[in-house]
Amino acid sequence: QKEVEQNSGPLSVPEGAIASLNCTYSDRGSQSFFWYRQYSGKSPELIMSIYSNGDKEDGRFTAQLNKASQYVSLLIRDSQPSDSATYLCAVYSSASKIIFGSGTRLSIRP
Amino acid sequence: GAGVSQTPSNKVTEKGKYVELRCDPISGHTALYWYRQSLGQGPEFLIYFQGTGAADDSGLPNDRFFAVRPEGSVSTLKIQRTERGDSAVYLCASSLTGTAGETQYFGPGTRLLVL
Repeated sequence: QKEVEQNSGPLSVPEGAIASLNCTYSDRGSQSFFWYRQYSGKSPELIMSIYSNGDKEDGRFTAQLNKASQYVSLLIRDSQPSDSATYLCAVYSSASKIIFGSGTRLSIRP
Repeated sequence: GAGVSQTPSNKVTEKGKYVELRCDPISGHTALYWYRQSLGQGPEFLIYFQGTGAADDSGLPNDRFFAVRPEGSVSTLKIQRTERGDSAVYLCASSLTGTAGETQYFGPGTRLLVL
């Protein structure tokens, strides 16, 4: 079992709709969770971090965390073509090490 | 201010050669990380520096890989006797103190191709 699992996609969503990205992790002791966006040929860019159970909203992005289920999700409202990218779920497994999922490719179709 | 920089941006080498990849972190950041990203995968942790010392090198795949950060700023990842399987994007990231949960800022990466 991978430490951080994501559906590789591609996930195709019409422009203006809600995109829902999911991630599960195996280390119950993890306390910090991140979503990075990575455009093709570019480096990862942090878009959301979440540390407590529940929802965290930032503009069109909402991160959701359920530690009991070991589940993290990212919702993107009013999806735009510029949101087309690979979204990486990342989990702090220790004081210094981030474990990344393999990413979900998101495609927003006009 | 300037972000994390990495040089070279691209490196092509032949199997068996030695390569050095350089990372210049954000000024004042004490924590520095190296990752490797293969096509279609997420970044894979290699090594973490806190200041000049390697706090965690558990991700280095074998003894052909070595990294240094002699003055607590710039870091160099060194790969000896390169193999075709070493081809990947090598990413460097830095964070202010290395505290758990702190944001890591990534550089643009070095694309290494071993022929």
